[in-house]
Amino acid sequence: DIQMTQSPSSLSASVGDRVTLPCRASQTISTYLSWYQQKAGEAPKLLISGASSLGSGVPSRFSGSGSGTDFTLTISNLQPEDFATYYCQQTFITPYTFGQGTKLEI
Amino acid sequence: EVQLVESGGGLVEPGGSLRLSCAASGFTFSKYAMSWVRQAPGKGLEWVSSISGTGGDTFSAVKGRFTISRDNSKNILYLELKNMRAEDTALYYCAKAQGEWPHLVPLDYWGRGTLVTVSS
Repeated sequence: DIQMTQSPSSLSASVGDRVTLPCRASQTISTYLSWYQQKAGEAPKLLISGASSLGSGVPSRFSGSGSGTDFTLTISNLQPEDFATYYCQQTFITPYTFGQGTKLEI
Repeated sequence: EVQLVESGGGLVEPGGSLRLSCAASGFTFSKYAMSWVRQAPGKGLEWVSSISGTGGDTFSAVKGRFTISRDNSKNILYLELKNMRAEDTALYYCAKAQGEWPHLVPLDYWGRGTLVTVSS
């Protein structure tokens, strides 16, 4: 199975900051990497697909990059509504594994 | 508007069975792969199973105990859970894939989930 590693598990930041959340795959997955945002008590929401394509309706302050095994989600000019947990997922090969998530906290 | 509404969760004893359903609307159901993803209390997301748009191909992380299926005439996705264990306790989400095949594409719409609790 492909292991997806997100570290750190939590990250403190402030409104207006620029943050970078990493995700590493245990083997190459090309760009078949998605990012999801999950707020407390809510279902996950697709932010980024194909490593760098912004999801429908997602603000442009979110961006994704990377290919192969190393990927990054960047949030510029953090807004109060961005404090949530972020997961990466690979759909290159089954099982379609998720990272353990990074919780973005104030 | 895409809507996914899960149902069928509840309390079940270890070794028991349950069938979850997901009613889909707002898109051409048969043209998209569907998936189940679960989340144990306080934990992260775990992919459970996926099925192609036609229903002809299925993929599962829990082989032998969980079976995914779909009824394209009714726009309903199912997940049958058997021989359940305490570690199957989780919120089970239904999610739509962005293509007819679950491979290589993201999950672009999610339901709100149905809670399954396995306990005696």
